[in-house]
Amino acid sequence: EPEVTQTPSHQVTQMGQEVILRCVPISNHLYFYWYRQILGQKVEFLVSFYNNEISEKSEIFDDQFSVERPDGSNFTLKIRSTKLEDSAMYFCASRGASPGLAGDTQYFGPGTRLTVL
Amino acid sequence: GESVGLHLPTLSVQEGDNSIINCAYSNSASDYFIWYKQESGKGPQFIIDIRSNMDKRQGQRVTVLLNKTVKHLSLQIAATQPGDSAVYFCAEIRLRYSSASKIIFGSGTRLSIRP
Repeated sequence: EPEVTQTPSHQVTQMGQEVILRCVPISNHLYFYWYRQILGQKVEFLVSFYNNEISEKSEIFDDQFSVERPDGSNFTLKIRSTKLEDSAMYFCASRGASPGLAGDTQYFGPGTRLTVL
Repeated sequence: GESVGLHLPTLSVQEGDNSIINCAYSNSASDYFIWYKQESGKGPQFIIDIRSNMDKRQGQRVTVLLNKTVKHLSLQIAATQPGDSAVYFCAEIRLRYSSASKIIFGSGTRLSIRP
C-alpha cells in the first residue's frame, strides 16, 4: 500500500540553525501539507501546498518557515533559524483528489521529531 | 478559530467490550468530520469519516455517529482489542474549492485496554 515517508525520523539541532525536513508524498497525490504536534498536544496545521504554491498557512507558519517541492517526488519544510519552541513532531500529509470530491482523505507520514537545544 | 474538542482525555475499556469516544464541535460550517488514530511514535492514521449531511456511517468494527442538533460526534469501536490502544482524535474539514482543505484536530482521547 502506498504511504507517505519522512526523513529523518529524528533531528537534533542547535537553536538558530537551519533545518530541512523531507517528505515523499504518495506518488499520484496533488495536495501536500505540513502539520506539527508539540509533545502531549494536538496536531496543528502549518501549511498546505498545491500546484507549486502555498494554498493556506497558519499563524504558526511565519517568515522562518518555507516549503518547497524541488522535484516531482519530494516536499520539504525548512525552518531558517530554529527556536526552542519549534521542538515538536512534524507530520507531512498528502491527498489526491480535488477538494470538492467526497471521500478523499489526507494520509500522514510517520513524522520527524525535531529537538532544538 | 478551532472548534473541535473532546469530552475526556482518557478512556479505559475491558478487552472485548465496546468503546465509545465522544467529541463536541461548535462550528456548523464543517463539511466533514474525521476520526484519526495515533499510536505511539506514529502519525495520525485515518479511521473513518462522515459527511455533515449524514448521521451515521459504519466501517469495519467502527461506527461514527453525528448529531448535528447537539453538535456531537462519537466513535464506537466494537469488541475492543489490544491493538486499539492509541490516542483518538476527532477532526473536521471545511472544504475549500479554491485551495487545499486543512484538517482541524481536536485534543485527543487516550484509549487503554484492560486485559
